[in-house]
Amino acid sequence: QKEVEQNSGPLSVPEGAIASLNCTYSDRGSQSFFWYRQYSGKSPELIMSIYSNGDKEDGRFTAQLNKASQYVSLLIRDSQPSDSATYLCAVLRGSNYQLIWGAGTKLIIKP
Amino acid sequence: DVKVTQSSRYLVKRTGEKVFLECVQDMDHENMFWYRQDPGLGLRLIYFSYDVKMKEKGDIPEGYSVSREKKERFSLILESASTNQTSMYLCASSLGAAGGYEQYFGPGTRLTVT
Repeated sequence: QKEVEQNSGPLSVPEGAIASLNCTYSDRGSQSFFWYRQYSGKSPELIMSIYSNGDKEDGRFTAQLNKASQYVSLLIRDSQPSDSATYLCAVLRGSNYQLIWGAGTKLIIKP
Repeated sequence: DVKVTQSSRYLVKRTGEKVFLECVQDMDHENMFWYRQDPGLGLRLIYFSYDVKMKEKGDIPEGYSVSREKKERFSLILESASTNQTSMYLCASSLGAAGGYEQYFGPGTRLTVT
């Protein structure tokens, strides 16, 4: 079992709809979670971090964390073609500063 | 804003050459990381450093070494480049325990070894 799992996609969503991206992790003691966006040929860029159970909103993005079920999700409202990218989920590994990365979900927003 | 820069966007080297990839961050971050990213394999950690002159192996350190003589600079060295080291190399930094573990990435270096 991988430490951080994501559906590789592609996930196709019509423009204006809500895109829902999911991530599960295996270490029940994990405390810090991150979502990154990566455009083709570019480096990952941080979207948001989440540390507590529940929802965290930032503009059109909402991160949701459920530690009991060991999953974290990212919702993108009013999806735009510019949101088409690969979305990476990362989980902090213990106390040695490393992030454990999922393989990413490719999202395609269709006009 | 955090800025992480890498010395080259594209690099072409020959098999057996010694290759230096440089990374500089301007935000006084404690931690710095080197990854490689290959299609279908995701981000893989090569080495990281949590302080000047300190380094730890990541998941795939074989064939690589690192140097961190100053806090802002973290170098990745390919001792004798091989074709299987053709990849996208990404440097990242994070503030650390005092300020968070979010990693900020440089633009990447696409290395081709022929």
